[in-house]
Amino acid sequence: ETGVTQSPTHLIKTRGQQVTLRCSSQSGHNTVSWYQQALGQGPQFIFQYYREEENGRGNFPPRFSGLQFPNYSSELNVNALELDDSALYLCASLRAASGSGEQFFGPGTRLTVL
Amino acid sequence: RKEVEQDPGPFNVPEGATVAFNCTYSNSASQSFFWYRQDCRKEPKLLMSVYSSGNEDGRFTAQLNRASQYISLLIRDSKLSDSATYLCVVNVNNNNDMRFGAGTRLTVKP
Repeated sequence: ETGVTQSPTHLIKTRGQQVTLRCSSQSGHNTVSWYQQALGQGPQFIFQYYREEENGRGNFPPRFSGLQFPNYSSELNVNALELDDSALYLCASLRAASGSGEQFFGPGTRLTVL
Repeated sequence: RKEVEQDPGPFNVPEGATVAFNCTYSNSASQSFFWYRQDCRKEPKLLMSVYSSGNEDGRFTAQLNRASQYISLLIRDSKLSDSATYLCVVNVNNNNDMRFGAGTRLTVKP
């Protein structure tokens, strides 16, 4: 186990609704990245948080937003859900100062938008 | 052009076979490279980092060619347990945001 936890495990929403996904990073890790993985695709980088600030963003619209808390846990918020938002959402934590670049992934939240 | 492109697969090989996966990346400034493994309906896990000099971990060998912007993974003596999707990952901006390829699915058959 990586020590990275995510909640909920599964979620079903309808178009137009809003969703909040949560991630607790591994102890000692100050950086959290969020990814969207559609079926049959590799994870796509949404954004990264380092010390409570956004530290890089992929090609996702502003309705994807996030937060990082002082304990380094993080939230991903998605507003105005669309059908194409159905995917596995993964968070990954790492210790930025380690230099190894190794990320530890949580088990993911599977979001279905109807 | 995608930032990270991999062999489309799938690869279906018998036990004991040697199989190689290739990956190209578009950003010449990329600094670090990795292979991750993802089992069905599980999260990705680091298989190995890829160093400029090439590196080996048991049956797995990773190579990096910066001039051609190309990464490879060689698996020797394939085992049934090697069946998984292999993801090529590139740290494109050197700030720990990782870009993943679409993955190559490997099935090792008895």
